[in-house]
Amino acid sequence: NAGVTQTPKFQVLKTGQSMTLQCAQDMNHNSMYWYRQDPGMGLRLIYYSASEGTTDKGEVPNGYNVSRLNKREFSLRLESAAPSQTSVYFCASRGPGATAGEGELFFGEGSRLTVL
Amino acid sequence: KQEVTQIPAALSVPEGENLVLNCSFTDSAIYNLQWFRQDPGKGLTSLLLIQSSQREQTSGRLNASLDKSSGRSTLYIAASQPGDSATYLCAARPYNNNDMRFGAGTRLTVKP
Repeated sequence: NAGVTQTPKFQVLKTGQSMTLQCAQDMNHNSMYWYRQDPGMGLRLIYYSASEGTTDKGEVPNGYNVSRLNKREFSLRLESAAPSQTSVYFCASRGPGATAGEGELFFGEGSRLTVL
Repeated sequence: KQEVTQIPAALSVPEGENLVLNCSFTDSAIYNLQWFRQDPGKGLTSLLLIQSSQREQTSGRLNASLDKSSGRSTLYIAASQPGDSATYLCAARPYNNNDMRFGAGTRLTVKP
């Protein structure tokens, strides 16, 4: 089982460049998430998608856009990268539970982005 | 807004010791609380998920408890091993909110 797969694993950008982080899950989960992890700050939610065709902002959405391409795939785009976006980005999906909120969260291996 | 705190930030213990990691949260209105392990340069691996209606969950040498009224969860690790060395994070899922709130983690080192 691949679980949650992210590409690329590493990327270096120059300020102003754009790029897209890809995420795919093979667990048939409805909900998918993009987080960023910065030293000493824990994980913060950038965007999420509760189901195919829907997306919503999280705590730190500025400078990012997302696309829920289908049930499996959820991409994160940086239109004009800034040094403040240097971080480790994690994609996650939520498994089923008795209610929509109760499922277990599964993470990808992360994408390490450096913006110079 | 839900705030999640993990103290201490770092912990070092000798092999074989039983230990407890602490997680506190400010709002008791949660669906569940989840504990994760993160190895350096890796993603988060789910360890235990406790639903709001549960008091504890066990998996092998790990036992997690949840006390919503006091806003606390603990992760108990029995007979610690060097392979347990990692950062442990807890996260709480508030009601009516898709934003899982994470603590900053406790970095555990188990010395042989």
